[in-house]
Amino acid sequence: EAGVVQSPRYKIIEKKQPVAFWCNPISGHNTLYWYRQNLGQGPELLIRYENEEAVDDSQLPKDRFSAERLKGVDSTLKIQPAELGDSAVYLCASSSLWTPGETQYFGPGTRLLVL
Amino acid sequence: TQLLEQSPQFLSIQEGENLTVYCNSSSVFSSLQWYRQEPGEGPVLLVTVVTGGEVKKLKRLTFQFGDARKDSSLHITAAQPGDTGLYLCAGVGGGTSYGKLTFGQGTILTVHP
Repeated sequence: EAGVVQSPRYKIIEKKQPVAFWCNPISGHNTLYWYRQNLGQGPELLIRYENEEAVDDSQLPKDRFSAERLKGVDSTLKIQPAELGDSAVYLCASSSLWTPGETQYFGPGTRLLVL
Repeated sequence: TQLLEQSPQFLSIQEGENLTVYCNSSSVFSSLQWYRQEPGEGPVLLVTVVTGGEVKKLKRLTFQFGDARKDSSLHITAAQPGDTGLYLCAGVGGGTSYGKLTFGQGTILTVHP
């Protein structure tokens, strides 16, 4: 069974440019998460989806970040415009159910460098 | 805001040595998870501990959850080069943070042959 797929794996852009990341969760997983992992830190949750509904986006910087999961399967995270401080690894994860302690399966991440 | 502090941040040891990584918080968590992350990959779940005082073993790895469910430790016996990686603890929140994962900053372990 395929794991969580993310693309691109790497992205280098200049500040003020837009960028988008794509995630395809494990088949049948209803819950999808986007995390940001800064260098030397653990992941921080940006947004959680239950099917197509964003049920926790309290940590998403809404002035420049947006996300969608239109059909409740794959998802896109966008930054517009990007800032130098957005350089980080963006991780997508999925789980079959949203229950505390439920195993989240992480993708390999997209490493973003903003110049 | 719930915070998790991991120590040490870096650990460099020789093959065969034992080590312990600590994860501490002032907050109570409903459960705590340990992950291992290799370069260029996402974190992979190793274990979930739920009950205060619980001890779980995974081959040479021993995980313990504090009695008050605020802290945890990971002990590796006879470390091997294949154990090299970033070890992350994550608290599973309760109350207003129900189900939310709060990660520590991680411990980078390097095991030299």
